[in-house]
Amino acid sequence: GENVEQHPSTLSVQEGDSAVIKCTYSDSASNYFPWYKQELGKGPQLIIDIRSNVGEKKDQRIAVTLNKTAKHFSLHITETQPEDSAVYFCAASRVTGGGNKLTFGTGTQLKVEL
Amino acid sequence: DSGVTQTPKHLITATGQRVTLRCSPRSGDLSVYWYQQSLDQGLQFLIQYYNGEERAKGNILERFSAQQFPDLHSELNLSSLELGDSALYFCASSVSHYGYTFGSGTRLTVV
Repeated sequence: GENVEQHPSTLSVQEGDSAVIKCTYSDSASNYFPWYKQELGKGPQLIIDIRSNVGEKKDQRIAVTLNKTAKHFSLHITETQPEDSAVYFCAASRVTGGGNKLTFGTGTQLKVEL
Repeated sequence: DSGVTQTPKHLITATGQRVTLRCSPRSGDLSVYWYQQSLDQGLQFLIQYYNGEERAKGNILERFSAQQFPDLHSELNLSSLELGDSALYFCASSVSHYGYTFGSGTRLTVV
């Protein structure tokens, strides 16, 4: 089955700096890569996703890049703000007509310091 | 509010007991997914239903079962509970197979 590794496990940045979180996956057939943000006491919230036919996607201060050859994908957050502080999870799956079973990374605790 | 409603928010029960967790998906979403989140295992996929039919299954224990009803709400049944079943249980829904929306979870504590 799919295995997703995520690094780093904790990340501390100064407000306004950029943050980068990296993930690798094992199943070359995976074709869907979402990123979720989880705040304390809440469920994971989808912040951006990318499909395997796209190399990069951007949404305001957030961007995701995908390297299918190397089987890794990254989340980039620019101009970080205190409200970006949360746990971020990457995930991967092989979406078929049957369904979408996400395999999650172990999470990155991001702390944005003033 | 994500639009995915999970009840109850908290549940404390004893070992050996059975509980039922309930999930109402966002309006229009036909897929419902169940995940378990624990400190040692992280977020683990349990099972997916699409319009009442089971579509994908993860490493769900035989003591656990789920179903999706005609009105599209779903229930996750956990029986013969053990201390190790203590975790957050999340439901998510989607209209297609992409872009899940998670609920706020049910925190289960087995004592």
